[in-house]
Amino acid sequence: DTAVSQTPKYLVTQMGNDKSIKCEQNLGHDTMYWYKQDSKKFLKIMFSYNNKELIINETVPNRFSPKSPDKAHLNLHINSLELGDSAVYFCASSLDHNYGYTFGSGTRLTVV
Amino acid sequence: KNEVEQSPQNLTAQEGEFITINCSYSVGISALHWLQQHPGGGIVSLFMLSSGKKKHGRLIATINIQEKHSSLHITASHPRDSAVYICAVWGNQFYFGTGTSLTVIP
Repeated sequence: DTAVSQTPKYLVTQMGNDKSIKCEQNLGHDTMYWYKQDSKKFLKIMFSYNNKELIINETVPNRFSPKSPDKAHLNLHINSLELGDSAVYFCASSLDHNYGYTFGSGTRLTVV
Repeated sequence: KNEVEQSPQNLTAQEGEFITINCSYSVGISALHWLQQHPGGGIVSLFMLSSGKKKHGRLIATINIQEKHSSLHITASHPRDSAVYICAVWGNQFYFGTGTSLTVIP
């Protein structure tokens, strides 16, 4: 069983559309994360979330919003997609920030 | 200036060589992570450190909290170690280094 699974693996969409990327973990972890990796391969955290708090990187546009229906899921919704949103998005989970974390395989988003 | 600096940015080694990748950070942290990203894009968490040293197979990670510095060592390097190695720290948020691209030549 995949520990952290993301869907879809690839997503091509037009500017202005709204899209979602799903993430599920079966590790029983309390904290989940979304990261963006840009074309220069630089990783940046977007959100970390557990059932107590949502920590948002202040540089993330409010077009991006995390939605957590339960502890095992953290979906990423993106409104009004822009060309600059093209990147690989990684989901991850951990027991909390001070423990090692497990990554999903990534979602390559291309906005055209 | 990044809160997390890694060196070198690029590294090419012959198979069997001992490799060291360095990470320095400027913020107070509670944990430091070493990540490995393979050419296919997948990311694997190698170590999480808050003090001292950890070893897993041919990989060794050390951290000096006072000096705000960590090193990742690879002994008897192998071509399958070729990847990007990323240092990340957790203070009040996550900060990432820009990665060290390692190529091990047979």
